[in-house]
Amino acid sequence: DIQMTQSPSSLSASVGDRVTITCRASQSISSYLNWYQQKPGKAPKLLIYAASSLQSGVPSRFSGSGSGTDFTLTISSLQPEDFATYYCQQSYSTPPRITFGQGTRLEIK
Amino acid sequence: QLQLQESGPGLVKPSETLSLTCTVSGGSISSSSYYWGWIRQPPGKGLEWIGSIYYSGSTYYNPSLKSRVTISVDTSKNQFSLKLSSVTAADTAVYYCARWTVTIQYNWFDPWGQGTLVTVSS
Repeated sequence: DIQMTQSPSSLSASVGDRVTITCRASQSISSYLNWYQQKPGKAPKLLIYAASSLQSGVPSRFSGSGSGTDFTLTISSLQPEDFATYYCQQSYSTPPRITFGQGTRLEIK
Repeated sequence: QLQLQESGPGLVKPSETLSLTCTVSGGSISSSSYYWGWIRQPPGKGLEWIGSIYYSGSTYYNPSLKSRVTISVDTSKNQFSLKLSSVTAADTAVYYCARWTVTIQYNWFDPWGQGTLVTVSS
């Protein structure tokens, strides 16, 4: 299986900060990489698909980049509602062997 | 607006079979562009894909769970279901259903149901 490793595992930041979360795949996955946001007690919400495509309704301060093995999720200016856990997810293989990163918890400094 | 809702027992005994149903509303489960999936999350831990199904009945399963998992679909009820056999405490988790959009190039899960906690305990 393709392993997904996120860094950091946790992060403290302030409102207005620019934040970057990294996701690394154990082998090349082209751009088959999605990002989700999960708040406590809630289901994950899709933010970015295909590495860099912003899901409809998601604020433009969220952006994704990367291809191959290294990917980043960037929040350009943190808002209070952005404090949550973020997961990357790959879906490269055929047949699919979908795996998620371990998550990055974004906390208020 | 498409909505998904999980339902089923919140408590299952060890060695028994966990059974959950996901009801889809606001859209047809028979839409050609979509698969439907199950994902779980043990308390305080990360997300694990369980498997996915197409309305025709074609399935994909996580190899680590494949021997214990059956996912089925009932298009007449706009529902799909999960059965996980021989459960242990390690299967205690919040179970989510989600629509899996599959395009020629890429795929992703959206939207998700609210999730249902299933506890395995005697």
